[in-house]
Amino acid sequence: SQQGEEDPQALSIQEGENATMNCSYKTSINNLQWYRQNSGRGLVHLILIRSNEREKHSGRLRVTLDTSKKSSSLLITASRAADTASYFCATVQNRDDKIIFGKGTRLHILP
Amino acid sequence: NAGVTQTPKFRVLKTGQSMTLLCAQDMNHEYMYWYRQDPGMGLRLIHYSVGEGTTAKGEVPDGYNVSRLKKQNFLLGLESAAPSQTSVYFCASNDRDRGRTDTQYFGPGTRLTVL
Repeated sequence: SQQGEEDPQALSIQEGENATMNCSYKTSINNLQWYRQNSGRGLVHLILIRSNEREKHSGRLRVTLDTSKKSSSLLITASRAADTASYFCATVQNRDDKIIFGKGTRLHILP
Repeated sequence: NAGVTQTPKFRVLKTGQSMTLLCAQDMNHEYMYWYRQDPGMGLRLIHYSVGEGTTAKGEVPDGYNVSRLKKQNFLLGLESAAPSQTSVYFCASNDRDRGRTDTQYFGPGTRLTVL
């Protein structure tokens, strides 16, 4: 079964608003990553957060990690039309070489 | 650098036919992965490799075989294609062997239809 589960499955917001997506996972991890996929394209790495970190920022992206709840959130501030895409979390477990992806959140930014 | 490339981009097979998908990377990465993406299922790991000559099973390995004869290439084979293998296949490599960030670099995908 898949390690990560994103929530919500789909999200539509107005341009300029903030978008928040959540990811829950099942077992202890070494790190958690977020990826973006534009329609018909491969995935692109956005940000990685390690298990000993609680928050990271990259431009308009903010990621938090709560290992006690086994959950992470991705916040995109001041959304733009170009942010329309699917967003996936991926987890790497300790002492494991597999990188397991969730089912993704489809984000649609309305003009 | 071309990054990760996949061949072919599209393919239509009949049930029972065989084919091989090729993934190539020019970043000298040790780790390579094959995923399939189906609507509503996200990405599921098929097989992966942690170096030349090694392969390991992922979440959904049945019906697929892989080979890593050269470091830069990772082949995914379907010996007898089934309609359930209709999907988009993505290859990825990463640099975790160098103690870096585990960042996955993805290819553009291969869209496979099995009739």
